[in-house]
Amino acid sequence: GENVEQHPSTLSVQEGDSAVIKCTYSDSASNYFPWYKQELGKGPQLIIDIRSNVGEKKDQRIAVTLNKTAKHFSLHITETQPEDSAVYFCAATPLVGGGADGLTFGKGTHLIIQP
Amino acid sequence: DTGVSQDPRHKITKRGQNVTFRCDPISEHNRLYWYRQTLGQGPEFLTYFQNEAQLEKSRLLSDRFSAERPKGSFSTLEIQRTEQGDSAMYLCASSFGYNEQFFGPGTRLTVL
Repeated sequence: GENVEQHPSTLSVQEGDSAVIKCTYSDSASNYFPWYKQELGKGPQLIIDIRSNVGEKKDQRIAVTLNKTAKHFSLHITETQPEDSAVYFCAATPLVGGGADGLTFGKGTHLIIQP
Repeated sequence: DTGVSQDPRHKITKRGQNVTFRCDPISEHNRLYWYRQTLGQGPEFLTYFQNEAQLEKSRLLSDRFSAERPKGSFSTLEIQRTEQGDSAMYLCASSFGYNEQFFGPGTRLTVL
């Protein structure tokens, strides 16, 4: 089955700086890679996703890059703000048979934005 | 609110009791997923449905766990003879086709 590794487990950055979170996956059949943000006491919220037919996707201050050969994908947040403080999870799954299978998640990165 | 809803939000039970959780997906989403999340970990996949058919079950889903989605709309997850190790947040998500999975707020289970 799929195995997703996520680093670092904790990341502290100054407000306004950039943050980068990295993930690796093991199953070459995986072709869908979402990123979720989870605040305390809430369910995960999708912030961006990427499919294996593209190498990069951007949405305002958030971008995701994918290297299929190396089985790496990364989340980049620029101009960080206090409200970006949360736990971020990467995930991977194959898209087959009409939709996505269950997601395999990394262990999460606790992002702390220092004022 | 048209998001995924879960009930109850919190459940405290004694070891050995049975519990049942409910998930109402976003209207017209044909896929519904159950995950379990323990403190400091990412969600772990348990099972999912396409319409009323249960398509995949994780090895984490022991014989004490059962899930149903009888009419292809809401779903229930039942845990029989609860154990302290079942204490976790149980998350439900829904999607339509190849689109993203939207998560509900979760049901936090505490087994005493």
